[in-house]
Amino acid sequence: QVQLVGSGGGLVKPGGSLRLSCAASGFTFSDYYMSWIRQAPGKGLEWVSHISSSGSTIYYADSVKGRFTISRDNAKNSLYLQMNSLRAEDTAVYYCASRNRTGTPYNYWGQGTLVTVSS
Amino acid sequence: EIVLTQSPGTLSLSPGERATLSCRASQRVSSSYLAWYQRKPGQAPRLLIYGASSRATGVPDRFSGSGSGTDFTLTISSLEPEDVAMYYCQQFDTSPQTFGQGTKVEIK
Repeated sequence: QVQLVGSGGGLVKPGGSLRLSCAASGFTFSDYYMSWIRQAPGKGLEWVSHISSSGSTIYYADSVKGRFTISRDNAKNSLYLQMNSLRAEDTAVYYCASRNRTGTPYNYWGQGTLVTVSS
Repeated sequence: EIVLTQSPGTLSLSPGERATLSCRASQRVSSSYLAWYQRKPGQAPRLLIYGASSRATGVPDRFSGSGSGTDFTLTISSLEPEDVAMYYCQQFDTSPQTFGQGTKVEIK
């Protein structure tokens, strides 16, 4: 049974940092491209970042470039998102999601972890 | 970036009725790169339709997708109570990939 379990969310002050994790099981994690996608309150889904199966190719949305860092540890079947210089507009539920490769839809999603940036 | 506009915002129908959800793109999207997702309350999103019209594994055949160019449609032929959810379209034809705002489907 495929599972993506996100963790690490919470309340953080503006300018602070947080590290999200996503633990994968039930599939060969190292074969899949992974992304972080977020949904702010009352807004639609927004793609945040992408990492290839090997970790060699990484992309970021302009809104988080220079502040967020995506990484993965295939030995631990885990995906990470290091979020620095957090802003109120980063408040959202963050989902991890998998896809076979670029140009394919997301076949599995995690349940989401809530990040709240507020003083 | 390509903006996807979904309508209506909320759809309230009785069980057995047909639900028609629209996704309109601000620029042409190749059908190969248009997907629909379902997110039930408290659950992770689930892939429903890919390639604009292909059902993902395990998706009931009451769900169907159609469309091309800038206009795409998700149809639920006969609404079931378990179909209560948010539905999102996504394009990954042009970077950055984008999603629609979602349509909420309710049971009347």
